[in-house]
Amino acid sequence: AQTVTQSQPEMSVQEAETVTLSCTYDTSENNYYLFWYKQPPSRQMILVIRQEAYKQQNATENRFSVNFQKAAKSFSLKISDSQLGDTAMYFCAFMKHVTGNTPLVFGKGTRLSVIA
Amino acid sequence: EAQVTQNPRYLITVTGKKLTVTCSQNMNHEYMSWYRQDPGLGLRQIYYSMNVEVTDKGDVPEGYKVSRKEKRNFPLILESPSPNQTSLYFCASSQSTGTGETQYFGPGTRLLVL
Repeated sequence: AQTVTQSQPEMSVQEAETVTLSCTYDTSENNYYLFWYKQPPSRQMILVIRQEAYKQQNATENRFSVNFQKAAKSFSLKISDSQLGDTAMYFCAFMKHVTGNTPLVFGKGTRLSVIA
Repeated sequence: EAQVTQNPRYLITVTGKKLTVTCSQNMNHEYMSWYRQDPGLGLRQIYYSMNVEVTDKGDVPEGYKVSRKEKRNFPLILESPSPNQTSLYFCASSQSTGTGETQYFGPGTRLLVL
């Protein structure tokens, strides 16, 4: 079974600074997908960024980028120019590349606080 | 606007009183899923549906039922709720499976069972 580990339960960053959230995962699969979801105080789950395991190039979405290290099974999220609105719980998630049921396997989350 | 909706958003009930949480999506998605979120445990899948009339258990199905009579709707049924079902529930949907399709989440339903 796949597992996802987020080793930082809480982090804080000053506004406009850069912060990196860590995520490691365990799988025997070769093809899969990785995601970062953001959960603000409203509790809505919002997709931040997505990475296909077969792509070597790291995904980027505006101020959000990932460092995907397939051999190390590591998938960290970098937030540049942090904003107060980035304050949220962040979840790393794994999805197998299969047809049929494809549940997201989530880590336990990292609570990020952006400080003015 | 493309979205997944859930109702109710908040619910307080008592042990044993049957309840239904509705989920509806307007994106013509085939795959739908229910998750529960508990502190320290992240999100775990309860049930899923590959299409109309095709449903199956996820990781934590005990105490829940689902149905998929229409493509857009996927209600979660708690026939006899118990306090250990107090949780935050999310419905999610995606177009299909097999290609890492993004799953879109509803706004969540916070349930308290007394």
